[in-house]
Amino acid sequence: GAGVSQTPSNKVTEKGKYVELRCDPISGHTALYWYRQSLGQGPEFLIYFQGTGAADDSGLPNDRFFAVRPEGSVSTLKIQRTERGDSAVYLCASSRDATGGSPLHFGNGTRLTVT
Amino acid sequence: KQEVTQIPAALSVPEGENLVLNCSFTDSAIYNLQWFRQDPGKGLTSLLLIQSSQREQTSGRLNASLDKSSGRSTLYIAASQPGDSATYLCAAAQGGSEKLVFGKGTKLTVNP
Repeated sequence: GAGVSQTPSNKVTEKGKYVELRCDPISGHTALYWYRQSLGQGPEFLIYFQGTGAADDSGLPNDRFFAVRPEGSVSTLKIQRTERGDSAVYLCASSRDATGGSPLHFGNGTRLTVT
Repeated sequence: KQEVTQIPAALSVPEGENLVLNCSFTDSAIYNLQWFRQDPGKGLTSLLLIQSSQREQTSGRLNASLDKSSGRSTLYIAASQPGDSATYLCAAAQGGSEKLVFGKGTKLTVNP
């Protein structure tokens, strides 16, 4: 596709439920990132994939959060037993490679609201 | 732990004015410094990326500089236009990591 695609664009769920957020990166991009942005704040790093493997998951807040990228393309961020504090915009980004010289291309995000 | 600060938090200027947005970071061992713009309800759009070995990058009316020794970067916007109105974010990539640490952004309004 032309850009990074995230689905759904909005998700409302009840406290305690399980949610999955999907990210389709730009074709051919090997690096994929998940960030979380709260109102009035800059994005906060969650996890980064190089190919199929999670190269750095140090930003995942706790074990309720998990992400996969089984074929090195599409990624899914999974949140178990959602809490109201999980409400935020979840942003996905991809880059051509992870050499530090490739800019990140962001999707429009998934706005998650936990009621 | 890297911390990134952007000043001012908001800026309003008349159309045509040249302006500078400031970004400071606490750890100078950065991999690169990136500037993004974010429109309301949208994701981030990459504007400029300055690698640690570079001093500045230019794209059209935008020029970004990097001074690692002082922990500062500036984004210069020439001849501002109403379409430049957005939130501008800077982010530092720590050496040896692909993790970006973002500032909170500067919300720019260019008035016609």
